[in-house]
Amino acid sequence: EPEVTQTPSHQVTQMGQEVILRCVPISNHLYFYWYRQILGQKVEFLVSFYNNEISEKSEIFDDQFSVERPDGSNFTLKIRSTKLEDSAMYFCASSGDRSSYEQYFGPGTRLTVT
Amino acid sequence: GNSVTQMEGPVTLSEEAFLTINCTYTATGYPSLFWYVQYPGEGLQLLLKATKADDKGSNKGFEATYRKETTSFHLEKGSVQVSDSAVYFCALEGEDGQNFVFGPGTRLSVLP
Repeated sequence: EPEVTQTPSHQVTQMGQEVILRCVPISNHLYFYWYRQILGQKVEFLVSFYNNEISEKSEIFDDQFSVERPDGSNFTLKIRSTKLEDSAMYFCASSGDRSSYEQYFGPGTRLTVT
Repeated sequence: GNSVTQMEGPVTLSEEAFLTINCTYTATGYPSLFWYVQYPGEGLQLLLKATKADDKGSNKGFEATYRKETTSFHLEKGSVQVSDSAVYFCALEGEDGQNFVFGPGTRLSVLP
């Protein structure tokens, strides 16, 4: 069964450093998403991406964040200058169309900012 | 804006007990409703869904019915197992295609 994959599974970085979280969505999917889950808290939407541009973003997704689909398979989330409060689990998701019940989540990348 | 409220956990049950996790929502129109499960150390998995009023979603013995009149989507299972121990998230997508809004999650622990 096709699945969304994410790398790395755990990233530790120092405050102020840039990090790039990588996702490989399901190959024929067209819509891509990033969500964040701070430890013990709820899952929060960050951004959605379609046709090589951001289609929607939340207030969390400020200028420190960016997304990119650098090639036909990867979808990345970059945090330009990490803060302690960026420590969270980051989930990538993809869907084949705008019907969200087809949205498939990856296993997540745990980001720890020290 | 749209929001989802869930009963607070943790919920601790003995094996074979009946489970209910309450979920209510606030949204305009007719959102789509979902339950996701997160097993320890893993990502989110879609458990079940309902896309219109009175629909019942079901999977792995879990059920939830979309109740427009009470704006609820309570999760139920008749007989829980130790392997059901996880965090359960209720979520909705707005009728206008807004992205997911998740509830805070309810941790379930099932004891043998």
